[in-house]
Amino acid sequence: KQEVTQIPAALSVPEGENLVLNCSFTDSAIYNLQWFRQDPGKGLTSLLLIQSSQREQTSGRLNASLDKSSGRSTLYIAASQPGDSATYLCAVGETSGSRLTFGEGTQLTVNP
Amino acid sequence: GAGVSQSPSNKVTEKGKDVELRCDPISGHTALYWYRQRLGQGLEFLIYFQGNSAPDKSGLPSDRFSAERTGESVSTLTIQRTQQEDSAVYLCASSLGGLAGATEQYFGPGTRLTVT
Repeated sequence: KQEVTQIPAALSVPEGENLVLNCSFTDSAIYNLQWFRQDPGKGLTSLLLIQSSQREQTSGRLNASLDKSSGRSTLYIAASQPGDSATYLCAVGETSGSRLTFGEGTQLTVNP
Repeated sequence: GAGVSQSPSNKVTEKGKDVELRCDPISGHTALYWYRQRLGQGLEFLIYFQGNSAPDKSGLPSDRFSAERTGESVSTLTIQRTQQEDSAVYLCASSLGGLAGATEQYFGPGTRLTVT
């Protein structure tokens, strides 16, 4: 059974700092990995999707990497802003199933 | 274009009553998913529809839970004889389809269900 773990559970940083969120998964047989942000009381917003054949994806100040063999992904946020404050979720799309398996998220607070 | 929509946004019901939650996927998306998020926990997969194929119901927690989808459009998630443990946010997502793990899922805002 696939298990996804995110570290740290919570992170508080001053504005302008670069930061890294970590995600690990137990079964490397994945089709893709997706990073989402979730704002309080709202649904999920897709940030980046990395296919299993890819090593990284970039969108603006965000960069996500994938090391499938070691079962790890990182989300790098450059020059953080208060508007980046949210919960960040990592999810893997499995080869054999139809579901996304989610980690429990990292709650990020960027202080002005 | 329009994203995934869900209704109602909030639902409060008494224990033992039945509830029905609705999801409208993005037009053209053949795959539709339901997830549940209990307070302070991660998302749990419930059920997946892909076109006219038999749905993957492997995540449904009990036989009180069922879901239907009409063609490639609206889906309804029904919870019978609700229990307090059913209180959660129910999230719907859709994708272009094919192998579910291969395409990006887009989520609706969710329905917050409270069972009193």
